[in-house]
Amino acid sequence: AQSVAQPEDQVNVAEGNPLTVKCTYSVSGNPYLFWYVQYPNRGLQFLLKYITGDNLVKGSYGFEAEFNKSQTSFHLKKPSALVSDSALYFCAVREEGNTPLVFGKGTRLSVIA
Amino acid sequence: DAGVIQSPRHEVTEMGQEVTLRCKPISGHDYLFWYRQTMMRGLELLIYFNNNVPIDDSGMPEDRFSAKMPNASFSTLKIQPSEPRDSAVYFCASSRLGQGTNAEAFFGQGTRLTVV
Repeated sequence: AQSVAQPEDQVNVAEGNPLTVKCTYSVSGNPYLFWYVQYPNRGLQFLLKYITGDNLVKGSYGFEAEFNKSQTSFHLKKPSALVSDSALYFCAVREEGNTPLVFGKGTRLSVIA
Repeated sequence: DAGVIQSPRHEVTEMGQEVTLRCKPISGHDYLFWYRQTMMRGLELLIYFNNNVPIDDSGMPEDRFSAKMPNASFSTLKIQPSEPRDSAVYFCASSRLGQGTNAEAFFGQGTRLTVV
């Protein structure tokens, strides 16, 4: 069965600095990987997804993610953090076949001015 | 499209009462998912439907929980009787997985349920 691990409950970064939110996954076949963001009292918003062949994926709001097959990782990155990026970030995975997304526990990002 | 629409946004009920949560998926989406979010357990999949048919309800915590999808544009999640430990945010999501398994899911705003 597929699973996702987000090893950090909380990430703090200064505004203007680069940020990384970590995600590792486990699937039996090819992975389909996604990042979502959740602002307070809101639903989950799609940020980006991995498409086979493109190891660096660009998404909304200047975010990008790097797929590393050998390390089974899909870390979320942004070159310069904004205070408005402060939110809860979820990594998710789907195995091949029409199965539901399985989510990590989420990482709370705080960007400090 | 207005996106996935859930109602109500907030529900406060007394223990033992019946609670019904509602969801309207995005038109044309063939999959619908119900998730529950709590601090302790994160996001848990409760049940999902494909073309209105329940596919997997193994995530439904107890027989007190039931879900239906009578047509392509409406689904309900019912808890009867409700208990304080059911307090959580319940999300509905829909997806057009027929397009391929890299299709993302779109989430509603959620229903925050408080059982007192």
